[in-house]
Amino acid sequence: AQSVAQPEDQVNVAEGNPLTVKCTYSVSGNPYLFWYVQYPNRGLQFLLKYITGDNLVKGSYGFEAEFNKSQTSFHLKKPSALVSDSALYFCAVRDPGGSTLGRLYFGRGTQLTVWP
Amino acid sequence: KAGVTQTPRYLIKTRGQQVTLSCSPISGHRSVSWYQQTPGQGLQFLFEYFSETQRNKGNFPGRFSGRQFSNSRSEMNVSTLELGDSALYLCASSMSGGYNEQFFGPGTRLTVL
Repeated sequence: AQSVAQPEDQVNVAEGNPLTVKCTYSVSGNPYLFWYVQYPNRGLQFLLKYITGDNLVKGSYGFEAEFNKSQTSFHLKKPSALVSDSALYFCAVRDPGGSTLGRLYFGRGTQLTVWP
Repeated sequence: KAGVTQTPRYLIKTRGQQVTLSCSPISGHRSVSWYQQTPGQGLQFLFEYFSETQRNKGNFPGRFSGRQFSNSRSEMNVSTLELGDSALYLCASSMSGGYNEQFFGPGTRLTVL
């Protein structure tokens, strides 16, 4: 069965420092992986995705993510955090080979707080 | 392009009532998915529609139902509301699923009293 784990409920980082939000996944075939961000009382905003190709994926707002097949991980990173990056981050996976093609499996979310 | 729109944004109902939520996808998107978000359970998949057909369904009771119209707009209905149905209901659209990312609407906040 497909699943996503975000091992940290909260990540705190100082502005200007690099940030990492961790994600590991479980899927039967080659995964499609996504990161979304949610601000209070808002829907989810798409940040980036990995489908195939280069393991380092660049996305919106300076975020990037590294796909590691051997560790089944897809960690979200940013070289220099901003206070405005403070939000709830979700990792999601889709199994392209299964019958659940249109379905995203989400992690529990990681609350990122960047302090000034 | 206009984003995904959901109406209403907020809704208060009492137990036993039913409710209908509406979602208008991004123009050209044929796949519409619905998710329930609660603090305790996180984001849970309800169902997905593609070209007016339900393509996937999550583990929710039959009180939760949906449909998609020929213009790709979608509605979901919850009958006999329970307190536990209080949640943020999110609609997402995409071109066809698969490797396409889903774009989410702002959600409908349902409160059941």
